[in-house]
Amino acid sequence: NAGVTQTPKFQVLKTGQSMTLQCAQDMNHEYMSWYRQDPGMGLRLIHYSVGAGITDQGEVPNGYNVSRSTTEDFPLRLLSAAPSQTSVYFCASARDTEAFFGQGTRLTVV
Amino acid sequence: QQQVKQSPQSLIVQKGGISIINCAYENTAFDYFPWYQQFPGKGPALLIAIRPDVSEKKEGRFTISFNKSAKQFSLHIMDSQPGDSATYFCAASIDQGDMRFGAGTRLTVKP
Repeated sequence: NAGVTQTPKFQVLKTGQSMTLQCAQDMNHEYMSWYRQDPGMGLRLIHYSVGAGITDQGEVPNGYNVSRSTTEDFPLRLLSAAPSQTSVYFCASARDTEAFFGQGTRLTVV
Repeated sequence: QQQVKQSPQSLIVQKGGISIINCAYENTAFDYFPWYQQFPGKGPALLIAIRPDVSEKKEGRFTISFNKSAKQFSLHIMDSQPGDSATYFCAASIDQGDMRFGAGTRLTVKP
């Protein structure tokens, strides 16, 4: 069982570059979310989706875009990376209320 | 501002002792309160969860106590073991996609 798969695991970007963090789940979950984890801040919700074609903003959406064209995939796009976006990013999918997390993507913006 | 406040930030307990982590929330619409455990380099994993219609839930050595009137809930780890050393997050949600987390507690259990 793959569960929630995130790629890449590590990434270094230059300020102003764009990139997409990939997230895929094979559990047929309707609900998917993106979080960022920073020291002393816990996990903060960036965007979430309750099903294909439906997305909504979380606590810290600025600088990030998402789309949900299929049930399986929920990519997170950074349009113009900033040093403040240096963080560990987690994707999660949920069945009922239990969320299953991926292994994370450690992103550094220099 | 964080919707879920967690304390303490770090906790050191001797093997066999009781670990207690507390959380408080403001939004009375929250109806699901999970605790997640995270080991270094891994994603969080669900440990135990509670709904506000019960005051306590126990699973093995882990117990959630819930006080709806005080808008507080806590995690108790009985007979703490070195393998329990991890970061613990409380969380609260209204629906599946919108879960808000506390800042985390780094637990160290000394042998």
